Amino acid sequence: KQEVTQIPAALSVPEGENLVLNCSFTDSAIYNLQWFRQDPGKGLTSLLLIQSSQREQTSGRLNASLDKSSGRSTLYIAASQPGDSATYLCAVEGTYKYIFGTGTRLKVLA
Amino acid sequence: DAGVIQSPRHEVTEMGQEVTLRCKPISGHNSLFWYRQTMMRGLELLIYFNNNVPIDDSGMPEDRFSAKMPNASFSTLKIQPSEPRDSAVYFCASSLNQRYEQFFGPGTRLTVL
Repeated sequence: KQEVTQIPAALSVPEGENLVLNCSFTDSAIYNLQWFRQDPGKGLTSLLLIQSSQREQTSGRLNASLDKSSGRSTLYIAASQPGDSATYLCAVEGTYKYIFGTGTRLKVLA
Repeated sequence: DAGVIQSPRHEVTEMGQEVTLRCKPISGHNSLFWYRQTMMRGLELLIYFNNNVPIDDSGMPEDRFSAKMPNASFSTLKIQPSEPRDSAVYFCASSLNQRYEQFFGPGTRLTVL
């Protein structure tokens, strides 16, 4: 059974720092991995989708990498801003189903 | 496009009542997913449809839960009878097809008293 873990559960950093969020999964037989952002009381916003054949994806200040063999993905946020404060969730897709991690709650201090 | 639309945004009901949550996926998307989010269990997939057909409902917790997708632009999730432990945020998401990027609606916050 696929299990997805995100560490740390919470993170507080000063504005301007580069930071890394981690996602690990137990079953490497995945098809996709998707990173989402969730603001309090809101739905999920898709940030990046990495297909299993890809190693990384980039969008603006965000870079996500995928290492299937080790069961890990990282989300790198460059030059963090207070507006980046949110919960970040990763989700892995196996057989047509996404399994979500419990998220990392990020707070960027001005 | 307006994105995934869910209604109502908030629902407060009493135990034993029937609750119906509604979802309109993004036009042209063939896959639709219903999720439930709680503090204790995080985000869980309840059921998903592809081309209006239920593909996997193994996440539906009990027979009290049912979901339908009568056409490509509308789906419902029904709880009958509702119980306090059903209180959660219910999300609907859609994607172009089963293995494409998922787009989430704003969710329905359900409180069962």
